Amino acid sequence: QSALTQPASMSGSPGQSITISCTGTSSDFGNYNLVSWYQQHPGKAPKLMIYEGSKRPSGVSNRFSGSKSGNTASLTISGLQAEDEADYYCCSYVGSRTFVFGGGTKLTVL
Amino acid sequence: EVQLVESGGGLVQPGRSLRLSCAASGFSFEDYAMHWVRQAPGKGLEWVSGISWNSGDIGYADSVKGRFTISRDNAKNSLYLQMNSLRDEDMAFYYCAKESTGALTMIRGLEYWGQGTLVTVSS
Repeated sequence: QSALTQPASMSGSPGQSITISCTGTSSDFGNYNLVSWYQQHPGKAPKLMIYEGSKRPSGVSNRFSGSKSGNTASLTISGLQAEDEADYYCCSYVGSRTFVFGGGTKLTVL
Repeated sequence: EVQLVESGGGLVQPGRSLRLSCAASGFSFEDYAMHWVRQAPGKGLEWVSGISWNSGDIGYADSVKGRFTISRDNAKNSLYLQMNSLRDEDMAFYYCAKESTGALTMIRGLEYWGQGTLVTVSS
């Protein structure tokens, strides 16, 4: 169970859009669309932002969107705001009743 | 209001055991799959273990398989993690988290999380 691969850090200016990638192998999530994304502010519990690859839970801003192509899932944040500065993690079912998180991406809003 | 409150963390020597608990309230606990996720200080999230609503499906990360045991008591609205043969690398905050369905799929992600309990492994 290797962690899914995410960029360690990304940055953007307010108003810009950024896309965080999450790459696995075909055995990780090639056959599933069970990718979820979490936002975590320092000292806080993670918050679900996207599930099933592209669906938003109630209450999550529509500035957050998800997609998946082949072995790469992506989280796009449009219209960056200061409050979006946080760590972001992808997570996927990888078979045999096991799951794996990505290594996490630290997003800085300049 | 959904609440998940972890307890049982603390300082433990390498090789010893510890049992974590997660008390659930505000929802019908028996209907939902539950998970343990950990985070070493300053590090990323790591999925540890998950259990379906009726304990029929259980999964473990390779890093804890054979040492940790997840269980639940639906009558007590509680989730547990028995951790044996603890290692330095098990030191982390341990979160319990709730799925939106009873099956162990995370199809709708982990919608609710507790605030975590810290396990420190040190001699």
